[in-house]
Amino acid sequence: DTEVTQTPKHLVMGMTNKKSLKCEQHMGHRAMYWYKQKAKKPPELMFVYSYEKLSINESVPSRFSPECPNSSLLNLHLHALQPEDSALYLCASSQDVGLGGNTIYFGEGSWLTVV
Amino acid sequence: ELKVEQNPLFLSMQEGKNYTIYCNYSTTSDRLYWYRQDPGKSLESLFVLLSNGAVKQEGRLMASLDTKARLSTLHITAAVHDLSATYFCALLSGGYQKVTFGTGTKLQVIP
Repeated sequence: DTEVTQTPKHLVMGMTNKKSLKCEQHMGHRAMYWYKQKAKKPPELMFVYSYEKLSINESVPSRFSPECPNSSLLNLHLHALQPEDSALYLCASSQDVGLGGNTIYFGEGSWLTVV
Repeated sequence: ELKVEQNPLFLSMQEGKNYTIYCNYSTTSDRLYWYRQDPGKSLESLFVLLSNGAVKQEGRLMASLDTKARLSTLHITAAVHDLSATYFCALLSGGYQKVTFGTGTKLQVIP
């Protein structure tokens, strides 16, 4: 099973709403990632978790708040977003950061629209 | 700042033809990935290249890595319509925690 599952697949939220994106993997991977992808652009790294601890935050605005409750789950809490935050949010996982050539597996993504 | 550039950005080619996509990067690394993305879909891992001179092949796609030139190539042999997608290279850096994606190459194979 090489699956990273993301929910919801589509989310529409107002600028005053609070919502969360969820990501789950059962491959025993210890590194998990959040990426943001705008239309016709490459994915951009937001956060890296290694062994359930935040190891990289790419200067992401505080209206995005990641959380890693356990080694299988990764959440992205959203609050007071702006319309320009509308994008595809991709979760990914890998066996570990920096180990050999381990493949990074991506979920199907959550399409977020902020109105 | 790490830069990962691909060319061409857009490639339209006829079925049966061969072509190469280039990925240049600005810092040393010996771990490079190639991904495929279909419209509205997520990223599918194609290759992981680990060291200088690495070459991997899967079907009509072959990827190579030259770390001295900071260059990776994705060669397409006898293209078929099913290969139409956007292809990204991605570089591992930042203490092996950061994966930075290239600009992407949108490939259109015309029957």
